[in-house]
Amino acid sequence: DAKTTQPNSMESNEEEPVHLPCNHSTISGTDYIHWYRQLPSQGPEYVIHGLTSNVNNRMASLAIAEDRKSSTLILHRATLRDAAVYYCILYRSGGSNYKLTFGKGTLLTVNP
Amino acid sequence: GAVVSQHPSRVICKSGTSVKIECRSLDFQATTMFWYRQFPKQSLMLMATSNEGSKATYEQGVEKDKFLINHASLTLSTLTVTSAHPEDSSFYICSAKGGRVYNEQFFGPGTRLTVL
Repeated sequence: DAKTTQPNSMESNEEEPVHLPCNHSTISGTDYIHWYRQLPSQGPEYVIHGLTSNVNNRMASLAIAEDRKSSTLILHRATLRDAAVYYCILYRSGGSNYKLTFGKGTLLTVNP
Repeated sequence: GAVVSQHPSRVICKSGTSVKIECRSLDFQATTMFWYRQFPKQSLMLMATSNEGSKATYEQGVEKDKFLINHASLTLSTLTVTSAHPEDSSFYICSAKGGRVYNEQFFGPGTRLTVL
């Protein structure tokens, strides 16, 4: 499975935008880029996913580089409830029985 | 959105006993369910994948006789930790795939197991 690289931790202030980077230089053409987040003592929560084009939903935006070797999850206005571990995961459509392989993720701290 | 529940949320048991954890998809039919384990300060590690009506597929290093998985219906999967030991103490999380949203997995809230 192609791997992703994320910073171990990032810090942000409340109400400010947050850009969470992810490198995936060995991504293949059929790999989707998925983002999940995990709040303390809870199961992970789906955030967003994309293939080639940038994506927006009510939670976040996903900006995908033209060569697809990196992507950025954008939280437009961070709140204290956004403090979590954010996981960037490559998901091969139709392969590996839809398994998600979690890396270490980025621990986002949001300061009031 | 799709909801996955787990029961119990917390369980404490004595060493040598067995513990059953239930995972239910509440408003969709889950063709595939996954079981993960997460130790403190670590990431989730996939233990096994189960498809309704068939045997679970275990990840390398996971003992299938110790972690019994049953996926008898499209809305219920169970994980039984047999002869639990203190090193089995962990956060167990299930997820389910199915329903209308392709490519998305829905996670349960997790079960905290403590073996004394």
